Amino acid sequence: ETGVTQSPTHLIKTRGQQVTLRCSSQSGHNTVSWYQQALGQGPQFIFQYYREEENGRGNFPPRFSGLQFPNYSSELNVNALELDDSALYLCASSLGTGGAYNEQFFGPGTRLTVL
Amino acid sequence: AQSVTQPDIHITVSEGASLELRCNYSYGATPYLFWYVQSPGQGLQLLLKYFSGDTLVQGIKGFEAEFKRSQSSFNLRKPSVHWSDAAEYFCAVGAGTGTASKLTFGTGTRLQVTL
Repeated sequence: ETGVTQSPTHLIKTRGQQVTLRCSSQSGHNTVSWYQQALGQGPQFIFQYYREEENGRGNFPPRFSGLQFPNYSSELNVNALELDDSALYLCASSLGTGGAYNEQFFGPGTRLTVL
Repeated sequence: AQSVTQPDIHITVSEGASLELRCNYSYGATPYLFWYVQSPGQGLQLLLKYFSGDTLVQGIKGFEAEFKRSQSSFNLRKPSVHWSDAAEYFCAVGAGTGTASKLTFGTGTRLQVTL
């Protein structure tokens, strides 16, 4: 059983560009959540997908969007990048209908730098 | 809205010494509380969680936490710290129900262990 993987590990973009981050959930997990972790901060909840539908969103603008696919993979898309989007982006997967209350398995994250 | 405060940004303890990391939460209802650990280059790992029942919760790696409703606290403890415990520790409170639930994290406490 493989854990949660994320790609790429690091990414550098310029302001105004668009970026897609990818996550492969643990096998069989039907819920995936994305978090943004700025330097020196705790993770902030972006949104959560359950069976390919967005089901819960934090205080992030619509330029943050996502997808969950039937094969347990997921994407986080960010349009019109801003300098403040520089952060570690974490993906977490879990099994069951308990959402965040089920044990979430986190990937190592993608470090995004916006110049 | 729920929130979590971790008053200690950085703590240094000697190997073999006891450890207590503080966490205070704000939430209107009965809280669901969590402690996660993040090692460098790794994703977050769940140490323990409290939903209800016994206020002293046992977790992995020899950690425990005590829920004190009167103090709105959920402090993490370990009787004897090992050098491998050096990491960032995050307290989190859960809100919402089912697949729409989400976690709100504190800003973390960085633990340094001296030999």
